[in-house]
Amino acid sequence: DAGVIQSPRHEVTEMGQEVTLRCKPISGHDYLFWYRQTMMRGLELLIYFNNNVPIDDSGMPEDRFSAKMPNASFSTLKIQPSEPRDSAVYFCASSSGTTVEGKLFFGSGTQLSVL
Amino acid sequence: KQEVTQIPAALSVPEGENLVLNCSFTDSAIYNLQWFRQDPGKGLTSLLLIQSSQREQTSGRLNASLDKSSGRSTLYIAASQPGDSATYLCAVVVNSGNTPLVFGKGTRLSVIA
Repeated sequence: DAGVIQSPRHEVTEMGQEVTLRCKPISGHDYLFWYRQTMMRGLELLIYFNNNVPIDDSGMPEDRFSAKMPNASFSTLKIQPSEPRDSAVYFCASSSGTTVEGKLFFGSGTQLSVL
Repeated sequence: KQEVTQIPAALSVPEGENLVLNCSFTDSAIYNLQWFRQDPGKGLTSLLLIQSSQREQTSGRLNASLDKSSGRSTLYIAASQPGDSATYLCAVVVNSGNTPLVFGKGTRLSVIA
């Protein structure tokens, strides 16, 4: 398996533009997580899905952020409109099992810069 | 609310030295604890997972211990090598149902040849 695949690897955009980040989890994994990493705050959980259903989105900073998982092999995280404070590395991760305590596999991340 | 702290934030050691990275958590009611490695510009790789009923886990030169009652875990790296240079993060799952990992901010390790 190729692991968790994220695209794009880097995204540079201007304030106010829409940004869409993409993730393909490991085949067979039933949990998918979106994390954001900054120097100041470390890794923060934004939202996670189980069997394509959003379970907890309490970490989503505000209404400008939205995430979808239309099927088991694809998820998107959208920011509209984007702001400079959204600049961070966004990670997608997936895991398998009946609970979320299983080993977590991370993608390589998307480095987002909002100018 | 569970909080995970890793001290020091950065550590530099000469090659060959044995070293210990520390992780502490505020709520001892955890389900498990994981140690991850993150290389610059890359995602996280899970190194070791310790269930709450276990005291330690070993993989090669790595040994992770867990003391739930004191809210502490250590990652021991034997005979460090320059290739061990990375950021090491610990994360816990709280024992309150299906909840995701809570991460520390990591310790940035540099092993000098």
